[in-house]
Amino acid sequence: EVQLVESGGGLVQPGRSLRLSCAASGFTFDDYAMHWVRQAPGKGLEWVSGISWNSGSIGYADSVKGRFTISRDNAKNSLYLQMNSLRAEDTALYYCAKGLRQWFGEMGDWFDPWGQGTLVTVSS
Amino acid sequence: DIQMTQSPSSLSASVGDRVTITCRASQSISSYLNWYQQKPGKAPKLLIYAASSLQSGVPSRFSGSGSGTDFTLTISSLQPEDFATYYCQQSYSTPPTFGQGTRLEIK
Repeated sequence: EVQLVESGGGLVQPGRSLRLSCAASGFTFDDYAMHWVRQAPGKGLEWVSGISWNSGSIGYADSVKGRFTISRDNAKNSLYLQMNSLRAEDTALYYCAKGLRQWFGEMGDWFDPWGQGTLVTVSS
Repeated sequence: DIQMTQSPSSLSASVGDRVTITCRASQSISSYLNWYQQKPGKAPKLLIYAASSLQSGVPSRFSGSGSGTDFTLTISSLQPEDFATYYCQQSYSTPPTFGQGTRLEIK
């Protein structure tokens, strides 16, 4: 069974940093692109970042570009999101999701499955 | 970025009803359109990919259609477990973008 388990969320002050992790199991992790998608409280879904199987292709939403860094460790079957200079508007439930494709940015990709999410709250 | 617009934003329906949700893209996305279902407190779940292909395990009462800019998700006969929020998502270009969601409520 494919499983994604996020961790690392919590309450953090504006301007500070946080690192999210996603532990993957049940599939060949280094065969797939991976993504972070977030959902602010009571709001819709927003794609945050994606990374290809070998970290060779990476993308970010404009709202986080220059502040967030996605990475992966295929030896540990893990995905990460380093979040710096956090803002109140970054408050959200952050989901890790598996892509269909190997390469980030390929047409016809989708997110399946998703983890249960980890909550990030940015507040003083 | 490609903007995805869903209608309606919310919908009340009864068990057994046939329901259609519409998703419109701001430019042509061919058939690169996916649908997700999200229940309260749960992660989204992929229902339909490539506009009309049913994800494994998803009941056949769900169907998708469309291409270009206009797409629909249809539930042929609503079941109690179908009351949820539905999102469309385009995978034609980066960044992938979602519609704002359609909340399906019990009448």
